[in-house]
Amino acid sequence: EDQVTQSPEALRLQEGESSSLNCSYTVSGLRGLFWYRQDPGKGPEFLFTLYSAGEEKEKERLKATLTKKESFLHITAPKPEDSATYLCAVRILTGGGNKLTFGTGTQLKVEL
Amino acid sequence: GAVVSQHPSWVICKSGTSVKIECRSLDFQATTMFWYRQFPKQSLMLMATSNEGSKATYEQGVEKDKFLINHASLTLSTLTVTSAHPEDSSFYICSAERSGLGQYFGPGTRLTVL
Repeated sequence: EDQVTQSPEALRLQEGESSSLNCSYTVSGLRGLFWYRQDPGKGPEFLFTLYSAGEEKEKERLKATLTKKESFLHITAPKPEDSATYLCAVRILTGGGNKLTFGTGTQLKVEL
Repeated sequence: GAVVSQHPSWVICKSGTSVKIECRSLDFQATTMFWYRQFPKQSLMLMATSNEGSKATYEQGVEKDKFLINHASLTLSTLTVTSAHPEDSSFYICSAERSGLGQYFGPGTRLTVL
């Protein structure tokens, strides 16, 4: 069975305190791993797509990496505005076409 | 960046009535759109995949007669919650697949059924 697990469930950081969020997956036929940011009461905002092990992508204070079993979202020197829930999702090929399976998310709070 | 809109952003209705939610891709065409629901403090659960010009594919456990999906054009999909009940209260989010780039999400619709 395809599974996506994110850890930790919640993370509290001080401003400037770097850390990493984990997304581990067991799927067959991976066609991409996605990271999204979701603010309360809003839809997910696209951050990154990773397709193959060893791939890395960066955007401002965020960097996403991918291995064959997991992905990390590294946050360098976070600011309070980085507070949000970070979701990872894997895209798999099914009989009905591509679909995303989401992890449960990591709720990040960055404090001054 | 790709923009997906939803309307309405929130709706309150009486039990037994039907509610229609629209999802539009504003700056690209999407042959495939998706509908999710999200309960508080939980992740997104895929309800159905909507393909333009054909019937939607529903996930296991989702009642297709209760959640009617229509994808009439390459920029519009609608979800109708028929005979809504309080347990249908949730945050409904759509997404549109942009070829080669992945899914872009709408801002969500908060449905409250009294």
